[in-house]
Amino acid sequence: GDSVTQMEGPVTLSEEAFLTINCTYTATGYPSLFWYVQYPGEGLQLLLKATKADDKGSNKGFEATYRKETTSFHLEKGSVQVSDSAVYFCALTTNTGNQFYFGTGTSLTVIP
Amino acid sequence: NAGVMQNPRHLVRRRGQEARLRCSPMKGHSHVYWYRQLPEEGLKFMVYLQKENIIDESGMPKERFSAEFPKEGPSILRIQQVVRGDSAAYFCASSAFAEVGELFFGEGSRLTVL
Repeated sequence: GDSVTQMEGPVTLSEEAFLTINCTYTATGYPSLFWYVQYPGEGLQLLLKATKADDKGSNKGFEATYRKETTSFHLEKGSVQVSDSAVYFCALTTNTGNQFYFGTGTSLTVIP
Repeated sequence: NAGVMQNPRHLVRRRGQEARLRCSPMKGHSHVYWYRQLPEEGLKFMVYLQKENIIDESGMPKERFSAEFPKEGPSILRIQQVVRGDSAAYFCASSAFAEVGELFFGEGSRLTVL
């Protein structure tokens, strides 16, 4: 079945460090891929998305590239800030079934 | 354009009572999803509904839990005879699905069972 596997946390980084959170997927068909972010006490917000192979999603300095050959959608940011501290979820949806599959989430803490 | 509205934001119940959580999707959205987030765990799919239909309830416990999305009014997740293990944050999300699109989440309802 369709699923998403993402890097376990928690991740702790110093401000201005480089961030990578790994995400790989298993899917039938041609999924769309998403990264959602959840700040403390809030719901999930869409961070970025990519709908086909080789697409790069980007927002707020975060990027992720849809790699079909490695079935991956790793999240990266060149220089993290304290305000990026949150839980990050990788997700996919396919054109059939209208179902979304989420990873378990990766908690990021950025320290000054 | 109002986002996904969930209420109550916080709900406290004693064991054996009923909990009702409401979700009003974004305007124009006819697809509603419910997820449960347990402390220190990820997001677990519970149920996917369209107006007046349950499309996929494979993530919902067979007993005590039910969901509906009537023609008029909000979607409701109902938990009967709550137990301490039901304490969690319950998130609702909606989607338009004019094309494959994103989910828009509410801020969640946090249920505490005493």
